[in-house]
Amino acid sequence: EVQLVESGGGLVQPGGSLRLSCAASGFTFNSYWMSWVRQAPGKGLEWVANIKQDGSDKYYVDSVKGRFTISRDNAKYSLYLQMNSLRAEDTAVYYCVRGGGVFNMWGQGTMVTVSS
Amino acid sequence: DIQMTQSPSSLSASVGDRVTITCRASQSISSNLNWYQQKPGKAPKILIFAASSLQSGVPSRFSGSGSGTDFTLTISSLQPEDFATYYCQQNYSTPRTFGQGTKVEIK
Repeated sequence: EVQLVESGGGLVQPGGSLRLSCAASGFTFNSYWMSWVRQAPGKGLEWVANIKQDGSDKYYVDSVKGRFTISRDNAKYSLYLQMNSLRAEDTAVYYCVRGGGVFNMWGQGTMVTVSS
Repeated sequence: DIQMTQSPSSLSASVGDRVTITCRASQSISSNLNWYQQKPGKAPKILIFAASSLQSGVPSRFSGSGSGTDFTLTISSLQPEDFATYYCQQNYSTPRTFGQGTKVEIK
């Protein structure tokens, strides 16, 4: 079965860190750009970052530049998002998504709550 | 950054109605426009890519059109399972940006 499964979300204090993981299966992971997209409670969708097949190119939305790092391990069929210096406005469901621009497969999401 | 503006923000319709949602880009994006459907508590699902290409497995009552700055998603005959929020998204440039969403509710 083709799927993406996120993990690593939770409650963190402002200024804290969290690492999200995404396990891919059912497709050739190293053939695809991958992305993270988030959705704050009751709000719309916001693209966060993407990464090229071999990890050589990475792009970020301005609001997370310098704080978040996207990475991947093709041998483990895994995508990651290291989130540092977290802010209240980073509170959202984070989706692991297949594709760098056309998002044709989504995980179920993992909730990140930044609060004291 | 390219801004995507959808209209309306919400609409009420009945089963069997023809529904049209509009998306406008702040600059030309050629045909680099995708449409997604999201139901409450669920991940989004792609419906249309490249402005008018139907994703495999998506019912043919969904269609997309447009190029440049103006795009349309049409549902030819609304079905009960189509009540959801719809988002447009451009992949012409980075950052990728989404419209604010259009919620389709039952009349």
